[in-house]
Amino acid sequence: LAKTTQPISMDSYEGQEVNITCSHNNIATNDYITWYQQFPSQGPRFIIQGYKTKVTNEVASLFIPADRKSSTLSLPRVSLSDTAVYYCLVGYNTDKLIFGTGTRLQVFP
Amino acid sequence: DTGVSQNPRHKITKRGQNVTFRCDPISEHNRLYWYRQTLGQGPEFLTYFQNEAQLEKSRLLSDRFSAERPKGSFSTLEIQRTEQGDSAMYLCASSAETGPYTQETQYFGPGTRLLVL
Repeated sequence: LAKTTQPISMDSYEGQEVNITCSHNNIATNDYITWYQQFPSQGPRFIIQGYKTKVTNEVASLFIPADRKSSTLSLPRVSLSDTAVYYCLVGYNTDKLIFGTGTRLQVFP
Repeated sequence: DTGVSQNPRHKITKRGQNVTFRCDPISEHNRLYWYRQTLGQGPEFLTYFQNEAQLEKSRLLSDRFSAERPKGSFSTLEIQRTEQGDSAMYLCASSAETGPYTQETQYFGPGTRLLVL
């Protein structure tokens, strides 16, 4: 499974757009990119998934360049409730998800 | 769709005791996964079921751990002779098997937090 690298932590203020970039240089042709959000003492929550270009849902956008060696999760106008750990994963119908340590996002008022 | 549920949410036990956790997946999902998460780390894969068949077990799953999914619905994870190092959050996830050229998504439950004293 492709290894991912993402920043350990990020800070933001309420109302700002937050972009978290994940590097996955060894992504395979069939791999999808998936992002999860996790609050303390809760299970990870699926946010968004994509294969190429751009994917948008009611929560976030996912930008994937043509070479697919990185991806950026974009959270528009964050609020205090977006303070969480965000995990980037790559794989294709894998039996197991391999999580890194994620990016700890802290949103300040 | 009520999501994945796990019981109990919290468990405190003494070293050497046995504990059992239950996971109820999303009803139409045929795949069920167990993960373990310690403080400051991402979840780590433990084992995986497709219907009632246990298809893969991680090396993290020592012989003190056993998981079952008897009728392909709910699953139980039992830890025998618990050790302090077993203290962690135990997460269950489920997914629906998809066809080719599509990507399945795993949905997680709230977890069971185990503390071994």
